[in-house]
Amino acid sequence: ILNVEQSPQSLHVQEGDSTNFTCSFPSSNFYALHWYRWETAKSPEALFVMTLNGDEKKKGQISATLNTKEGYSYLYIKGSQPEDSATYLCAPEIQGAQKLVFGQGTRLTINP
Amino acid sequence: DVKVTQSSRYLVKRTGEKVFLECVQDMDHENMFWYRQDPGLGLRLIYFSYDVKMKEKGDIPEGYSVSREKKERFSLILESASTNQTSMYLCASSPPGYQPQHFGDGTRLSIL
Repeated sequence: ILNVEQSPQSLHVQEGDSTNFTCSFPSSNFYALHWYRWETAKSPEALFVMTLNGDEKKKGQISATLNTKEGYSYLYIKGSQPEDSATYLCAPEIQGAQKLVFGQGTRLTINP
Repeated sequence: DVKVTQSSRYLVKRTGEKVFLECVQDMDHENMFWYRQDPGLGLRLIYFSYDVKMKEKGDIPEGYSVSREKKERFSLILESASTNQTSMYLCASSPPGYQPQHFGDGTRLSIL
């Protein structure tokens, strides 16, 4: 099974602070990189799907970048709000056909 | 909005029972997936399907089978439930191509 690393595993930040975390994945046979947000007692919600090296995506105060040559993606949250508290999952599509390999996630807690 | 509905939020079954987990999506998606989530591990793919009557093994198919008789419905079957199959099970669907997956709310299954 392919290794997908997310760091840090957990993160506590103050409301209003900006933060970022990392997803590392094997760079060979890369097809796409998915980011999801999973709030407690809800279903995972898609944030981004990125395919091209150098891709940058933005949704509100959340943005992501992708480096397929070195096998990593960063997720940034600007001006964190309590509702941003969730586990953020990345999943590269390495074998194609939407077969995703999920990392363990970064659990983000925003302190008011 | 895409709706992925899993038949039960919580389910308790006994060792050796045959267990059916049902998933229905309302957006005519070709792809459907079954995952399990365990503490300390990322979402792991059990089985997926690209079309009616088609199925592909994921990373952890042992002890499970699936059925897709209609496009909107994808069933996960535990042939003879065991305690190590106690877990959170999530169903997802997606259209073809580099598209996000849409998840159900999950079924928390306990095998006693």
